[in-house]
Amino acid sequence: DAGVIQSPRHEVTEMGQEVTLRCKPISGHDYLFWYRQTMMRGLELLIYFNNNVPIDDSGMPEDRFSAKMPNASFSTLKIQPSEPRDSAVYFCASSPSGTTQFFGPGTRLTVL
Amino acid sequence: KNEVEQSPQNLTAQEGEFITINCSYSVGISALHWLQQHPGGGIVSLFMLSSGKKKHGRLIATINIQEKHSSLHITASHPRDSAVYICAASSGGGADGLTFGKGTHLIIQP
Repeated sequence: DAGVIQSPRHEVTEMGQEVTLRCKPISGHDYLFWYRQTMMRGLELLIYFNNNVPIDDSGMPEDRFSAKMPNASFSTLKIQPSEPRDSAVYFCASSPSGTTQFFGPGTRLTVL
Repeated sequence: KNEVEQSPQNLTAQEGEFITINCSYSVGISALHWLQQHPGGGIVSLFMLSSGKKKHGRLIATINIQEKHSSLHITASHPRDSAVYICAASSGGGADGLTFGKGTHLIIQP
């Protein structure tokens, strides 16, 4: 298996633009997690899904952030409109039935 | 909400030394995870444990549920062990998102 796949790996955008981050989990994993990492706050959970259903979105910073999982092999994290304080590395991770989590390579987002 | 604290924040040691990184958490958990983040940014899960001790190669992880404390040990450390080590807690049987410590930046000098 190729592991968790995230795209793009790097994204540079201007304030106010819409940003969409994509994740393909490992086949057969029924949990998918979105995390954000910044220098100031470290790693934080944004939202996670079980069998494509959002279970806990309490970590989503505000209404500008939304996440979807239309099927078992694809998830998106959207920021609209983006702000400079959203600059961070966004990680997607998946796990089989709530055991060890497998992380993707991350998307480094820079909002100018 | 669980608070996860790690110490030390930074650690520099010589090759061959025995390394210990500590992690404490504030409320009961179902599992404690140790992760390794390489200089390139990738994150790898090292251990997930809910009791006792686990060993993988030169890495050993222990947890004391009563004390709400876990340790990660590296024996015979090597420069390739240089990385950020992060502990994280999960409260829902492992089937929930993680709460992370701030990480320990480890440098092993030759």
